[in-house]
Amino acid sequence: QKEVEQDPGPLSVPEGAIVSLNCTYSNSAFQYFMWYRQYSRKGPELLMYTYSSGNKEDGRFTAQVDKSSKYISLFIRDSQPSDSATYLCAMSTLSNDYKLSFGAGTTVTVRA
Amino acid sequence: ETGVTQSPTHLIKTRGQQVTLRCSSQSGHNTVSWYQQALGQGPQFIFQYYREEENGRGNFPPRFSGLQFPNYSSELNVNALELDDSALYLCASSLASSYNEQFFGPGTRLTVL
Repeated sequence: QKEVEQDPGPLSVPEGAIVSLNCTYSNSAFQYFMWYRQYSRKGPELLMYTYSSGNKEDGRFTAQVDKSSKYISLFIRDSQPSDSATYLCAMSTLSNDYKLSFGAGTTVTVRA
Repeated sequence: ETGVTQSPTHLIKTRGQQVTLRCSSQSGHNTVSWYQQALGQGPQFIFQYYREEENGRGNFPPRFSGLQFPNYSSELNVNALELDDSALYLCASSLASSYNEQFFGPGTRLTVL
């Protein structure tokens, strides 16, 4: 079983729809949770960064963390064709291993 | 503010050869991490460098090695290349005080024939 599970999709939505993405994880030591956006043949771009449980909102993006269920989500409101990309969740612990553990990524297409 | 840069963009090597990839960290960042991303997969942690020393390592064999220089730039060296080493190699920089907040470069796409 992978440490971080993410449905690869693909996910196709019409412009203006809400995009809902999620990841589950098995390591209860994860404390930091990130969402990255990766366009084709580019490096990942940090979108959201949260610590422990709760919600965080930044413009059209909302990140939710439910540590009791080991489940995190990213919502994109009023989706645009420019949101078409692969979205990666990433997590890390408080220990000194410093690594980010990534999901496999979900490919999203927003249709104009 | 200058972002993370990597060179070269693309590279083709043959099995058994050696390769060196380079990374310049974002301005002010003193920690560099390297990741391997196979097609259709998430990045896998290779190792991290801080103060010119390896600070943590993932499940990669010793033929993957690295360096960090006093200006915080870094190199990833891979010896005895194998076909499975074909991937996008990503460098990420961060501050040691917030190492989880990592900012990635565009990557080097390595093809091993």
